[in-house]
Amino acid sequence: DAMVIQNPRYQVTQFGKPVTLSCSQTLNHNVMYWYQQKSSQAPKLLFHYYDKDFNNEADTPDNFQSRRPNTSFCFLDIRSPGLGDAAMYLCATSKVDRAPYEQYFGPGTRLTVT
Amino acid sequence: AQSVTQPDIHITVSEGASLELRCNYSYGATPYLFWYVQSPGQGLQLLLKYFSGDTLVQGIKGFEAEFKRSQSSFNLRKPSVHWSDAAEYFCAVGPNAGNMLTFGGGTRLMVKP
Repeated sequence: DAMVIQNPRYQVTQFGKPVTLSCSQTLNHNVMYWYQQKSSQAPKLLFHYYDKDFNNEADTPDNFQSRRPNTSFCFLDIRSPGLGDAAMYLCATSKVDRAPYEQYFGPGTRLTVT
Repeated sequence: AQSVTQPDIHITVSEGASLELRCNYSYGATPYLFWYVQSPGQGLQLLLKYFSGDTLVQGIKGFEAEFKRSQSSFNLRKPSVHWSDAAEYFCAVGPNAGNMLTFGGGTRLMVKP
């Protein structure tokens, strides 16, 4: 089945130690998103790629970076994680020219910062 | 600016009872509307969507939602809740100024046996 895959599902990192979360998709969708979701809150959009074009939300901290080396893969890099960055990170995709704004989500990566 | 309000943070229903989760939105034109469900520790799964046409939309898992333009609402319903429906439910509207979705704060559904 076509899907959005996130690895790892659980990630523990130390305060200040860089960490990378990965997302891959077999849907061939041109848009990929990264969301941060804290407990009992709605997902908060960090940034998205429209093909290779990177779009950063205005309030996304500089500590968060992203890479999209090809259509299928997208990475979230947290350069110096703080305790406040502990959250669920969700990757999503959409195909703008067919079902606009309908986003397909991966299972998420739960990040713990010690 | 667009906004989505889910007035009920928590709802508890008995298994087999009917369910209605409320969603109110603020949007300048005809919106695209979505309901997503999130089980604990999982990503969001699309339950149903409204783009245009029939205002009563059917989704997966026996859910339906009705778009009421006059009330700016898109409430989610299910006639008989199952214990496996216990989850967090998010209503979303788009597109916003950045062509993205705006999510509501979510409603956590608990199901009593």
